[in-house]
Amino acid sequence: KNEVEQSPQNLTAQEGEFITINCSYSVGISALHWLQQHPGGGIVSLFMLSSGKKKHGRLIATINIQEKHSSLHITASHPRDSAVYICAVRARGGATNKLIFGTGTLLAVQP
Amino acid sequence: GAVVSQHPSRVICKSGTSVKIECRSLDFQATTMFWYRQFPKKSLMLMATSNEGSKATYEQGVEKDKFLINHASLTLSTLTVTSAHPEDSSFYICSAPVAPGKLLATFYNEQFFGPGTRLTVL
Repeated sequence: KNEVEQSPQNLTAQEGEFITINCSYSVGISALHWLQQHPGGGIVSLFMLSSGKKKHGRLIATINIQEKHSSLHITASHPRDSAVYICAVRARGGATNKLIFGTGTLLAVQP
Repeated sequence: GAVVSQHPSRVICKSGTSVKIECRSLDFQATTMFWYRQFPKKSLMLMATSNEGSKATYEQGVEKDKFLINHASLTLSTLTVTSAHPEDSSFYICSAPVAPGKLLATFYNEQFFGPGTRLTVL
């Protein structure tokens, strides 16, 4: 079993829909990252969380440390949001800044 | 925000040759950089941690003589794939975390990723 699990693995949505991607982890962490990878391959860091909630534009990320769970929400989804979304955690006590990655969620938003 | 660049973005080489990939932090100093490999439709696999001024730390199963890492300065790490074989064909990505004091406080411990290098070995 992976230390970081994401669901769903694949998600297809219609433009305008509210989207939720979930991430569960089994290790103690010091931070959790949400990353976005477009088909060209480049990775962009969307959020880094250690508690609570963060919002950036149409994106919202939440984390529940006690339940070891995080969610990424996309409001009013758009075809340009189509990408792979990756959850990654920095384990507490481990090598500084070394990340453990989830397997990613492939999101396709159809017009 | 901080920027990490990689060069080249795409390389095709013959089997048996060596290929060097550069990872640069453009507006901050990075004492540590990470090198990842990604297979199609798979997540990133950490290969090694590049440390400025000291030897790289390799993950289990990664051949250090095959994948040579040199962290020559606070802004440059290189990955050299030696005697490349078709099974080395992959997407290679680097990342650099921002250490305290090296950039605005809002970026502390953020990781910035390079755009990746697609290696094809014929």
